[in-house]
Order: sequence, then C-alpha cells, then structure tokens
Amino acid sequence: QLHLQESGPGLVKPSETLSLTCTVSGASITRDTYYWGWIRQSPGKGLEWIGSFYFVGATFLNPSLKSRVSISVDTSKNQFSLNVASVTAGDTAVYYCARHAGGRQRHPFFPWGQGILVTVSS
Amino acid sequence: DIQMTQSPSTLSTSVGDSVTITCRASESISNWLAWYQQKPGKAPKLLIYEASNLDTGVPSRFSGSGSGTEFTLTISSLQPDDFATYYCQQYISYSLWTFGQGTKVEIK
Repeated sequence: QLHLQESGPGLVKPSETLSLTCTVSGASITRDTYYWGWIRQSPGKGLEWIGSFYFVGATFLNPSLKSRVSISVDTSKNQFSLNVASVTAGDTAVYYCARHAGGRQRHPFFPWGQGILVTVSS
Repeated sequence: DIQMTQSPSTLSTSVGDSVTITCRASESISNWLAWYQQKPGKAPKLLIYEASNLDTGVPSRFSGSGSGTEFTLTISSLQPDDFATYYCQQYISYSLWTFGQGTKVEIK
C-alpha cells in the first residue's frame, strides 16, 4: 500500500530556508511513471500546488514560488525534498506531499501525506 | 495558467438536503477534473476523478458531472459526515496544477 510521510522542522526563522522531506513507501519514486509533488495550505486558506518532479529528471514549479523553491531527490532512501528559501510569515502553512501524474498519464493528487505544519517565526 | 473558480464559498444546509457545488475553469480542461473533501486537521481526500468517476469507497450519494469549463459536485441526502470543505482541481496541465478556492459545507 502506497504511503507518504512528511518530516522536517515545525518552526523556521524568517529569512531562513524551509526544508521538508517526503518519505515514500509502497512504490518507487524512480520506477513509476508518476509525479511526486508538494502542496501547501496556509491557515484558514485553500490549497496551493508548490512543485512536482518526475523521475526522468523533470521538475515543475509554481511560477509564483519558482524563484525560492527547489525539489531534490534521494533515490537511495526513496525520498524527495522541498526547499523554500528566504521564508516569511506568509510561508506558514501545512505542507503536504502527494503522488499525481501529468503528461499522457494524468492522475489527480492521490494519495496524500498527513501533512506537516511549518510556522515561520523568530 | 488555468484558474479554477468555485461557487458558492459557503453552503449552509441541513442533514438530508441535496447540495450542488459548481467549479468553473478559465479554459477547457476536458474532463480532467478532481474533487476533494477536506475535514479540519486532515489531508484532502480524493472523491471524484475525471469529473464523474467516484474513487474507491466513496458513497454513491456523491456525484460529479460536467466537461469543458463547467463542472458540478452534487451530494444527495447530506449526511453528518459530509460537512467539510470541498475543492476542485484541474489536472489537464502538463506542468501547473491548480485548485479552486474551496466550498465549505456547514450546518445551518
């Protein structure tokens, strides 16, 4: 059964870099034809797609965050990570990882991790 | 990028009622639309994919319809467990996926 789990610090100081990891079990992030993505939800707000990667090496980022966001992969641990640089209070949110797909094999976001709350505060 | 607009933002309703939520896309997305249900403190749950297909285990009182730019989610005979926030999401895009702003279904 496919399972995703977010991990990382729950508190980040302003201007620093937010770093989160999504650990995937039940499927390989390098062998499947799926995308692996990050979505966030600010307190009381809606869902915002941040970025995704595809194992062939393609990375897709939300243009509104592109200048501060990067996604990396650790294939040995079947994990992918999110970095958001120069954070402000506006980056305070619950961050989710999820599997989906684009291109010819379109799939919605499923399943999702449970989410992790990250607060930006000094 | 494709904008998704849901209406209404809030629905005040009662157990047993039937409710309909509308989602409009800024350009045609064929039937590449998903609906999610989210309860406080929980991750979104996939309800419907490809506009009208219920995900496994989703009760048949949920139904989705539409194609192109206009879509609806209908919940017939609302149950207490259905009070939640619902989001639509387009996934026609190759590189940018967007959600509607959400519709909160609350108890009147």
